[in-house]
Amino acid sequence: ETGVTQSPTHLIKTRGQQVTLRCSSQSGHNTVSWYQQALGQGPQFIFQYYREEENGRGNFPPRFSGLQFPNYSSELNVNALELDDSALYLCASSRAHARANEQFFGPGTRLTVL
Amino acid sequence: QQQVKQSPQSLIVQKGGISIINCAYENTAFDYFPWYQQFPGKGPALLIAIRPDVSEKKEGRFTISFNKSAKQFSLHIMDSQPGDSATYFCAASPLAGGTSYGKLTFGQGTILTVHP
Repeated sequence: ETGVTQSPTHLIKTRGQQVTLRCSSQSGHNTVSWYQQALGQGPQFIFQYYREEENGRGNFPPRFSGLQFPNYSSELNVNALELDDSALYLCASSRAHARANEQFFGPGTRLTVL
Repeated sequence: QQQVKQSPQSLIVQKGGISIINCAYENTAFDYFPWYQQFPGKGPALLIAIRPDVSEKKEGRFTISFNKSAKQFSLHIMDSQPGDSATYFCAASPLAGGTSYGKLTFGQGTILTVHP
């Protein structure tokens, strides 16, 4: 069974730039959720994708957007980067309609905005 | 109402001791309560989870105690080992089928240090 993978591992961008982060879900999982984890904090829910559509969103502005592909992999796009966007971005996969909302996380992408 | 409050912020335990981390929530729509373990530079790993229909769940050295009326739940780590040193997060998720299903709300985290 393949776990959740994310790329790249680390990324450095400057303020105002755009970034795309990628995630491959665990085999057998069809739902992907994205979280932002600031240093020393718990992860914050950004949004979730199921059947290639956004299925719930946290308190993040529209410049945070995403995609899900037919193979259930996903992308997180952030436009007009701000210094506060510096964080660990986590992807989690799960099975829709499972009795328990078990989400399995990838290793994350560390984004630094200068 | 969506918050999950976690305490303590940090915890130091001797090897062989019991580590106890507590969480409290307000949203009665929460229906699933997992605990995650995170090592530096890694993503959170699902440790153990509970639903409100039981008051306790045990898996090896890890036990979740759940008090539905008080809206509190806790993680107990028995016979704590240096390898358990990590950051622990509690989380909560609402009922399946609701508009917020799938959204995990996390606590602030507890840094556990187990001394040899």
